[in-house]
Amino acid sequence: DTEVTQTPKHLVMGMTNKKSLKCEQHMGHRAMYWYKQKAKKPPELMFVYSYEKLSINESVPSRFSPECPNSSLLNLHLHALQPEDSALYLCASSHVGQGSSYGYTFGSGTRLTVV
Amino acid sequence: KQEVTQIPAALSVPEGENLVLNCSFTDSAIYNLQWFRQDPGKGLTSLLLIQSSQREQTSGRLNASLDKSSGRSTLYIAASQPGDSATYLCAVRSGAGSYQLTFGKGTKLSVIP
Repeated sequence: DTEVTQTPKHLVMGMTNKKSLKCEQHMGHRAMYWYKQKAKKPPELMFVYSYEKLSINESVPSRFSPECPNSSLLNLHLHALQPEDSALYLCASSHVGQGSSYGYTFGSGTRLTVV
Repeated sequence: KQEVTQIPAALSVPEGENLVLNCSFTDSAIYNLQWFRQDPGKGLTSLLLIQSSQREQTSGRLNASLDKSSGRSTLYIAASQPGDSATYLCAVRSGAGSYQLTFGKGTKLSVIP
């Protein structure tokens, strides 16, 4: 299995809703990432998990709450989002290692629309 | 802070042409460089990964080169096809802890039948 699987593919939510994005990989990667991508822009890093522990939080608002329940799963819990949070949310994974020469594998993304 | 620049921002070519996409980066202390393809509204598909010790990588009609000392990489696409139309992103892995993946803004390629 060489894929990162993201669900759902599309999500429309109101500003008072609570929803979760899910990401799964079975490549034995111990680093997992959430990225946010706005239209016509490159992906921006949100969170990094290494060995199931949060290692990087790029000053993301608390209405985004990541969770890594095990080495294969990564969730992003959403609450009280704003319309400007509408974007493509990408999950990625990679091997870990200081000076790692491994590449990243990205999922197909969740298109989120906040109304 | 690592910065990645891609030139041109957009490119339109007739089918069958060979083409070159350019990527430059400011800090040569990288672990690797990865080229991705992104179709509209979709995720990123990895095309080629070049390690810092390598000069080039090839996959089918694609060839990527890396000149780390000058901070440059090129993606060469041979005999372009309409199906190659997409945005191509260059990303550099660098920084302490090696979790930093810095993207360029991409080159939007259109191959005209």
